[in-house]
Amino acid sequence: DAGVTQSPTHLIKTRGQHVTLRCSPISGHKSVSWYQQVLGQGPQFIFQYYEKEERGRGNFPDRFSARQFPNYSSELNVNALLLGDSALYLCASSLTGQGLHEQFFGPGTRLTVL
Amino acid sequence: ELKVEQNPLFLSMQEGKNYTIYCNYSTTSDRLYWYRQDPGKSLESLFVLLSNGAVKQEGRLMASLDTKARLSTLHITAAVHDLSATYFCAVDTYSNSGYALNFGKGTSLLVTP
Repeated sequence: DAGVTQSPTHLIKTRGQHVTLRCSPISGHKSVSWYQQVLGQGPQFIFQYYEKEERGRGNFPDRFSARQFPNYSSELNVNALLLGDSALYLCASSLTGQGLHEQFFGPGTRLTVL
Repeated sequence: ELKVEQNPLFLSMQEGKNYTIYCNYSTTSDRLYWYRQDPGKSLESLFVLLSNGAVKQEGRLMASLDTKARLSTLHITAAVHDLSATYFCAVDTYSNSGYALNFGKGTSLLVTP
């Protein structure tokens, strides 16, 4: 069975641009969460979506937004990119969104902002 | 604010030696996770500890959880070079901000000959 997939794997953008990252969860999983991992730090929670609704948001500015589609895949959008947005963006999926089931992480998208 | 603290943050150890990584957290939680991350890669799940007193072992790694002390340990026995990686502990929380994993800063482990 396929695990969590993310695209693209690498991305280079310039300051002020917009970026869209994509995630497909494990088949049957209905919850997707997004995390940002800056070099040398642990991942930080950005969003959780379950059944196409936002169920949680971390301490990130409004430049960050996301959505979940009927097939449970998800997009993370970041507007007006800053240098500090350079990071590894991880998507994780789980069966439900209530912490009863383990989250499984995708390979990540490495975003570089110049 | 939930805090998850790991120590040490950096660890250089010789092959064949034993060592323990500690993970302290500041809120009540019955679930704690350990992950391994190789450079430039994603997170690999090592252990899921679901209750007080839980102990799990896989190869040269053993993890334990003491929810009363809010402490988890990851013990490395007879280290080998292949264990060189960064290890994260994470605690899950459920609040108005949703369900989230809260990670420590990671312990960067280097095993040398």
